[in-house]
Amino acid sequence: AQSVAQPEDQVNVAEGNPLTVKCTYSVSGNPYLFWYVQYPNRGLQFLLKYITGDNLVKGSYGFEAEFNKSQTSFHLKKPSALVSDSALYFCAVRALMDSNYQLIWGAGTKLIIKP
Amino acid sequence: EAGVTQFPSHSVIEKGQTVTLRCDPISGHDNLYWYRRVMGKEIKFLLHFVKESKQDESGMPNNRFLAERTGGTYSTLKVQPAELEDSGVYFCASSQDLQGFDIQYFGAGTRLSVL
Repeated sequence: AQSVAQPEDQVNVAEGNPLTVKCTYSVSGNPYLFWYVQYPNRGLQFLLKYITGDNLVKGSYGFEAEFNKSQTSFHLKKPSALVSDSALYFCAVRALMDSNYQLIWGAGTKLIIKP
Repeated sequence: EAGVTQFPSHSVIEKGQTVTLRCDPISGHDNLYWYRRVMGKEIKFLLHFVKESKQDESGMPNNRFLAERTGGTYSTLKVQPAELEDSGVYFCASSQDLQGFDIQYFGAGTRLSVL
């Protein structure tokens, strides 16, 4: 079955430290991968995507993600965390389901950055 | 440019009642998606419109759910009669691209509580 796993419900990081939010996927064909962020009482916002090309993708707010085909992973990273990065992060993969494309989503990871 | 708007932001109803959720996509976006997230779980695809046509409704849970997009503008999602398991946050998103590469823009969601 095509799926996305975010193994950590919550990640706690001290401000200024590097952060990683993990995502692994299972999909037929070439994976097209996305990260979205949800701030409280707001809709999900696009951060970055991997379609093809360089395995390291840079996105909004200083975030980046590394596509690893052999490990079927697409972990989100940032070199130095800010308190304002505290939010809910979702990983998604585009999947072909009965001739239609859908986004398959993970359960989300709550990121808490402590001052 | 106005973003995706959803109404109401929160709805509390009793089992057996009817609720209608509304979504206004970004002007000019032909693609409109409905998703649902039950507390702590992954975001689940419900339905995809292209203009006024249902491109993919494979995620609709059952026939108690009815989605419409008359005129290809705003969309409504009606739940009739509501059951306890329908509780969750219903997100609407819109995009320009049909192939699933493009960014989806999300509304803030409607939190539905069925008591």
